[in-house]
This record gives sequence, structure tokens and C-alpha cells, in this order.
Amino acid sequence: GQSLEQPSEVTAVEGAIVQINCTYQTSGFYGLSWYQQHDGGAPTFLSYNALDGLEETGRFSSFLSRSDSYGYLLLQELQMKDSASYFCAVRDGDDKIIFGKGTRLHILP
Amino acid sequence: EADIYQTPRYLVIGTGKKITLECSQTMGHDKMYWYQQDPGMELHLIHYSYGVNSTEKGDLSSESTVSRIRTEHFPLTLESARPSHTSQYLCASSGLAGGWETQYFGPGTRLLVL
Repeated sequence: GQSLEQPSEVTAVEGAIVQINCTYQTSGFYGLSWYQQHDGGAPTFLSYNALDGLEETGRFSSFLSRSDSYGYLLLQELQMKDSASYFCAVRDGDDKIIFGKGTRLHILP
Repeated sequence: EADIYQTPRYLVIGTGKKITLECSQTMGHDKMYWYQQDPGMELHLIHYSYGVNSTEKGDLSSESTVSRIRTEHFPLTLESARPSHTSQYLCASSGLAGGWETQYFGPGTRLLVL
């Protein structure tokens, strides 16, 4: 079957760095994406990795290792507004986008 | 800026009623999706479409149906609403942006079935 595994919750301190991991098992793979969702809101796109390596967008970076079926989202200089759920998603061989169960990020002042 | 719209935003309805949740996008995307999500929980894909006259069931068994007669419109219909259908329904479309495929989500419809 197809699955994406990510931690259900992560807690970090304001100003710190946090990493959210995602491992996947899918039939076919076209890329790994990350989405942010605040309570009561809709998911919004953060980043995408199709090739191995690190992609940086401001305070957020995303990494992919296709040989390990693994990726992570790195958030730096955490702000209280970063408190949200973060979903990894894979575009599989059928061109469907499959989401992980989400990681709830709690930020302490 | 994503242009994907859902109506109604909130709906309270009695058991047994037929309802249609509307979703429209103005980005010309071929791919569209419906997800069901309870608060703080995962996204469950219930239907998707790769283009006009194409519809597929997702991973979550659903008693809803969809249609795709026009590229921009992807309505979801519940023939007979039940309390178990109470949830948030998110519509999304996907297209290429910056060289990779990105999903754009609508604001969602919060459904309460009494």
C-alpha cells in the first residue's frame, strides 16, 4: 500500500529551529511537497522537491533523499505564527497527490 | 494568488436532505480534488478528476458523487445527508507553478448534519 509517515506532534521554542521528517512508500514518485494549515484554514503550499537536495525559501527549507524515500521540512527562527499543522505530500505514479497525516507544530514562547 | 471558490462556507442541514457543495476555479486547471477533513485530523481524498468527463473515487469510501462537465466546475453531491457526513470538505485544483505541480485549496465548506 501507499503511505507517508510523519510525527503527529512536534514542540519547539520561539526563535529556535525545528525539523519535521517524512518517510514515504508509494508506487511511483514524482516529487515531495509540504503544506501548512492553520486551525480553521485551508492548506497552503510551502515547497516542493523533485530532486535530491535542499530547497530554501526564506526561513523554510525542504530536503529530499529519493534513495531513502525520506524528506524533511526545516523551519528556522521560529515565530508564534508558525504554529500550525504541516503536511508532506507525494505525487505518485498515477499522478495523484497523497498527503501524510500531518504534524502539529506547537511553539512555546 | 489562487482563485478557487467554494460555496456555501457553512451549512447546517437535517438528515436525509440532498445537498450539493460547489467548487469553482478560474486557473484553467485540469486536475481537481475533493478532500474530507475533521478538525486537526488528516486529509482524506474522496474524489478527483483529471479533466472534463473524468471522475475517480479516492481512498476514502464516500456516499457522495461528483461531476465534471466544465473545466472550472467540480460540484460534490450528497444524495441523503447523515450525521456521519458532518465534517469539513475541501476542494483543490492543481497545476504547474514555478516548474512544479502545486495544489491550491479552496476555503472549505463546514457541514453539520443534524
